[in-house]
Amino acid sequence: GENVEQHPSTLSVQEGDSAVIKCTYSDSASNYFPWYKQELGKRPQLIIDIRSNVGEKKDQRIAVTLNKTAKHFSLHITETQPEDSAVYFCAPNTGTASKLTFGTGTRLQVTL
Amino acid sequence: SAVISQKPSRDICQRGTSLTIQCQVDSQVTMMFWYRQQPGQSLTLIATANQGSEATYESGFVIDKFPISRPNLTFSTLTVSNMSPEDSSIYLCSGRWTDTQYFGPGTRLTVL
Repeated sequence: GENVEQHPSTLSVQEGDSAVIKCTYSDSASNYFPWYKQELGKRPQLIIDIRSNVGEKKDQRIAVTLNKTAKHFSLHITETQPEDSAVYFCAPNTGTASKLTFGTGTRLQVTL
Repeated sequence: SAVISQKPSRDICQRGTSLTIQCQVDSQVTMMFWYRQQPGQSLTLIATANQGSEATYESGFVIDKFPISRPNLTFSTLTVSNMSPEDSSIYLCSGRWTDTQYFGPGTRLTVL
């Protein structure tokens, strides 16, 4: 099965700074790369995803970059705000018919 | 995004009893899943709920302990049987539409 690692496990940044979380996976067949955000006491929510035919995708302050050769993809958050504080999970997988294997999670704390 | 509801939202149960969690999605999904999330941990897949047939369980989870039903495309139940304090966790239902996967709000289970 897919082996998924996330780094760092915790990240503290000051408001306005950038944050980068990296996800490394093992299955070279993976072709869909989502990131989920889970606020305390709430359900995980999809915030951005990328497919293997694209190297980068951006949505306002968040972006995802993919390096298929090295088998890793990263979440980038710019101009961080306190509401970005949450746990972020990656879940690389092989698309429609496959199950998601979640990374270990990264706890992001944005301080004032 | 899709709407997924679960009930109950939380319960406190006695050791040795069973609890059935219900999950309803608002439109037809390609796949439904059940996850468990221990406090501060990532999501662990329990099983894939298959319509009209036995669920597909992940390593470490068995049908006798976690029987699952999915009588139609939009409804599924997970039963936690013969509970012990180690079963205290959040149980999340999830539905997948093509590549995108959404989560229910979760059921917080405490076993005394």
